[in-house]
Order: sequence, then structure tokens, then C-alpha cells
Amino acid sequence: EVQLVESGGGLVQPGGSLRLSCAASGFTVSGNYMSWVRQAPGKGLEWVSILYSGGNTYYADSVKGRFTISRHNFKNTLFLQMNSLRLEDTAVYYCATGWGDSWGQGTLVTVSS
Amino acid sequence: EIVLTQSPATLSLSPGERATLSCRASQNINTYLAWYLQKPGQAPRLLIYDASNRATGIPARFSGSGSGTDFILTISSLEPDDFAVYYCQHRSNWPPRATFGGGTKVEIK
Repeated sequence: EVQLVESGGGLVQPGGSLRLSCAASGFTVSGNYMSWVRQAPGKGLEWVSILYSGGNTYYADSVKGRFTISRHNFKNTLFLQMNSLRLEDTAVYYCATGWGDSWGQGTLVTVSS
Repeated sequence: EIVLTQSPATLSLSPGERATLSCRASQNINTYLAWYLQKPGQAPRLLIYDASNRATGIPARFSGSGSGTDFILTISSLEPDDFAVYYCQHRSNWPPRATFGGGTKVEIK
């Protein structure tokens, strides 16, 4: 059974950094496309980034140059390094297999002074 | 950039009724469209991929149709568990990115 468990969210000041983790089980992260999707409070879904199994990475324009997606094959874990955080990055961040086949429960990131 | 417009924003129906949700793309996206259901406080769940294929474990009362710019999600007979927000999503191969519609809330009348 595919399971995804996100962690690492919290409160951070504008301009700060945070690293999210997504621990996977039931499949191998390295053999699959893996995505991050976020949802601001009371708003809709916004795609953030995808990591292809071959290693290529792609980002939404809103986070390009600030966020980095990566994985640790041995730990079977996906990461999202978030730098230069802005107020508008406040959201629940979900990791997902593929473009959204299976999802974790999400982790809340709050950017506030 | 492709924009997905969902309508209506809110659909008020009773259990047992048929629900028809629309998703319109700003340009031709063939059948590269997925549908998700999200209940309050929960992660989204994939219902339909490639416009008309049900994901694993999704009941037959959910069906998707359409191609090009106009897509429909139909729930043949609403069950209490189906009252939620539904999103459509386009997955682009190049440049690789995904776009979501604004969502349709299906509420109990």
C-alpha cells in the first residue's frame, strides 16, 4: 500500500527557510515521478514542483529559483527545500506520486512576522 | 498558459440526485485531464485520469467525459460521502507543469 507522510512544516518569518520531507512506503520514490502541491488556507490547489524518476526537476513560476525538490533514495524520502519564503507561500503542502495519483496528509507552512 | 474554468462554483443537490460538473480549458488539451475530490481537512483523491478513466478503487457512479476544451464529471447518484469539493487538473508534458481549476463545491440541498 502506498503511504506518504509529510513533515517539516511550521511557522517561519518572511525571508526564512524551511525543508519539508515526505517519507514514502509501499513503493520506491526513485522509480516514480513525485510532486509537491500546495493549498493556501481556504483556497484551491496549486502545483509547485515535480521530480522525474530520471532526475529532472520542474517548478511553478511562483517558486522557481526559491524552492528545490530532491530525493534521498536510500531513505525513500522526497524533500522540498524552501528559501526566501514569502507571506503568499503560506499553505498546506502535499506530496504526491506522479502528478497526483496518491497523496500524503499534508504539512502546514505558515510564513508570518 | 492553460487556464481551467470550472462551473458551477457551487452545486446544491440531494442524495440520490445526478451531479454534472464542468471543466473548460482555455485551449485544446486533448484528454490530458484529471478529476479530484477533496473533503474538508483531507488530501485530494484522484477520481478520473485521462478524461475518462476511473482511478483504482473509484466507484462506477463516477464517470468522466470530454476532450479538447470541454470536460464533464458525472456522479450518477450522489451518496452522502460525495458531498465535497471537486477539482479538475491538466497535466502538461511540455513544459512539465500542472494546472488546477478553481473547484466546484457539491453541497447538500
